[in-house]
Amino acid sequence: DAKTTQPPSMDCAEGRAANLPCNHSTISGNEYVYWYRQIHSQGPQYIIHGLKNNETNEMASLIITEDRKSSTLILPHATLRDTAVYYCIVSASNSKLTFGKGITLSVRP
Amino acid sequence: DTAVSQTPKYLVTQMGNDKSIKCEQNLGHDTMYWYKQDSKKFLKIMFSYNNKELIINETVPNRFSPKSPDKAHLNLHINSLELGDSAVYFCASSQARGSNQPQHFGDGTRLSIL
Repeated sequence: DAKTTQPPSMDCAEGRAANLPCNHSTISGNEYVYWYRQIHSQGPQYIIHGLKNNETNEMASLIITEDRKSSTLILPHATLRDTAVYYCIVSASNSKLTFGKGITLSVRP
Repeated sequence: DTAVSQTPKYLVTQMGNDKSIKCEQNLGHDTMYWYKQDSKKFLKIMFSYNNKELIINETVPNRFSPKSPDKAHLNLHINSLELGDSAVYFCASSQARGSNQPQHFGDGTRLSIL
């Protein structure tokens, strides 16, 4: 599976949009981009995934560049409860997810 | 109802003991997983079962033995516990292997070896 690169941390103000970047320059044509997050002391939580097109659900939006070499997870109105480690994972199969270090998002009041 | 449930939530035991962690999912999924998250917070897959059949077995000591009595349950038995086994163990499940459907995780079992 292709490797992903994420900044180690970022913060944003409560109520503002949080834009979390991810680079996956070696992604293959059949690999999906998955985003999970892990709130302290809890199990990872699925957020969203996509292949080529931008995706939106009740939690977030996923913007994938046309060349698919990078993506951005957008939390439109961050709350304090969105403080967590966010993992960007690239995989052709849901059965083999490789979690990296992720990005720690801190939402400040 | 909890979708993926693990028991116990906390497990403190002595080195050399044998212990088991249980996992159950009520999502009707075909595939279940065990992950280990160490003190550095890296989350690594250990095993995966699809319809009670082992399909992924990463480099894990054979002291760890998963058992799947049916597709809704995947238990993890650990023999001769060592200090390095201290970690949080997460169970997960997903729909058919090879699909793009997400994995759903339990809340973890915190194992501490004294």
